[in-house]
Amino acid sequence: NAGVTQTPKFRVLKTGQSMTLLCAQDMNHEYMYWYRQDPGMGLRLIHYSVGEGTTAKGEVPDGYNVSRLKKQNFLLGLESAAPSQTSVYFCATNPIYSNQPQHFGDGTRLSIL
Amino acid sequence: GENVEQHPSTLSVQEGDSAVIKCTYSDSASNYFPWYKQELGKGPQLIIDIRSNVGEKKDQRIAVTLNKTAKHFSLHITETQPEDSAVYFCAAREVGNQFYFGTGTSLTVIP
Repeated sequence: NAGVTQTPKFRVLKTGQSMTLLCAQDMNHEYMYWYRQDPGMGLRLIHYSVGEGTTAKGEVPDGYNVSRLKKQNFLLGLESAAPSQTSVYFCATNPIYSNQPQHFGDGTRLSIL
Repeated sequence: GENVEQHPSTLSVQEGDSAVIKCTYSDSASNYFPWYKQELGKGPQLIIDIRSNVGEKKDQRIAVTLNKTAKHFSLHITETQPEDSAVYFCAAREVGNQFYFGTGTSLTVIP
């Protein structure tokens, strides 16, 4: 049982390049989230989804887009990468019930030069 | 929105001593408070959680307390071991399902 799988694990981009981060879950959870983690700032929510075909903005959505075409996948896109987007990105999921914890992937470490 | 503050940002304890990490939240509607442990190179993993209708919960060496009136909750780790060294995050959840995280506490247990 893989849980939450993020690909790729590491990536180096040049400023202006684009890329897509993939989050896949096998727990049939309705909710999926993308966070970024920067030193001293904890986890900041970028975008989230409450179900297939839905997305919503979080705290820091600028420069990112997302899609949830299938329930088990949540994609995070950077159309034109900037050095400020250098970070560790985490995907998380949780079921629809209100008092259940999130399950996290192991992160994607992204460096933008 | 919710605001979660976590203290201290770093904590060093001797092996066998206790460690306490405190969080405060602002939204009285929050009703679920998980604690996560994050080891180097890994994603956060749930270690204990508490719901608003409970004041305290224990799981072996780990306990969490919740004071709804004061809007604060704390993580207590007793008899600390080197493998407890990690970053710990608290979180609070609004009724609308979004989680808000503290900024983390880096715990070092000195053998």
